[in-house]
Amino acid sequence: DADVTQTPRNRITKTGKRIMLECSQTKGHDRMYWYRQDPGLGLRLIYYSFDVKDINKGEISDGYSVSRQAQAKFSLSLESAIPNQTALYFCATSSPLGTDTQYFGPGTRLTVL
Amino acid sequence: QKEVEQNSGPLSVPEGAIASLNCTYSDRGSQSFFWYRQYSGKSPELIMFIYSNGDKEDGRFTAQLNKASQYVSLLIRDSQPSDSATYLCAVNGRPNAGGTSYGKLTFGQGTILTVHP
Repeated sequence: DADVTQTPRNRITKTGKRIMLECSQTKGHDRMYWYRQDPGLGLRLIYYSFDVKDINKGEISDGYSVSRQAQAKFSLSLESAIPNQTALYFCATSSPLGTDTQYFGPGTRLTVL
Repeated sequence: QKEVEQNSGPLSVPEGAIASLNCTYSDRGSQSFFWYRQYSGKSPELIMFIYSNGDKEDGRFTAQLNKASQYVSLLIRDSQPSDSATYLCAVNGRPNAGGTSYGKLTFGQGTILTVHP
């Protein structure tokens, strides 16, 4: 079984709809991250959480919100989706004990019409 | 100036050749450096990380770090068509005041590598 899972894997929605992307991990890591990837723009950090009570904005948090329900779960919400939020979204986890390497989920391809 | 810069490529090499991928970073206090490989439509997967100046080898891959020049590179020996992918350089910033890892990675835009038979 995959260590970091994301649901859904693909989603098509309409402008103005509320969307939630979910991430779960079995790696036991405290740190979790949400990124979006657009062609030519690389990976950009949306939000990150270093433990259940610690949530921080990344470089492109406008239009997004997150919830850390448990150590293993970190959800990303788009309150009112807009077309320029069409992108590939990745969740990642890491642990500061050791290398703090980030491990990525399989991604969610989101299309906002 | 971007915090982490890579040549976007595409870099094209023949099968069996050495592919050289380069990355520069702006924060002199950065402590750890990562190379990820990403196939089209897939998630990034870790190839190597490096902390210390010098070379680190793992199979066909060698990471090179020069903190004085703020430069990190990845060499792929005996390149194979299956190595064709986008390679992402990522940098972890300077440690927090308590010494724990900064945690947030800054990614370069990635270099597209094509290995042709």
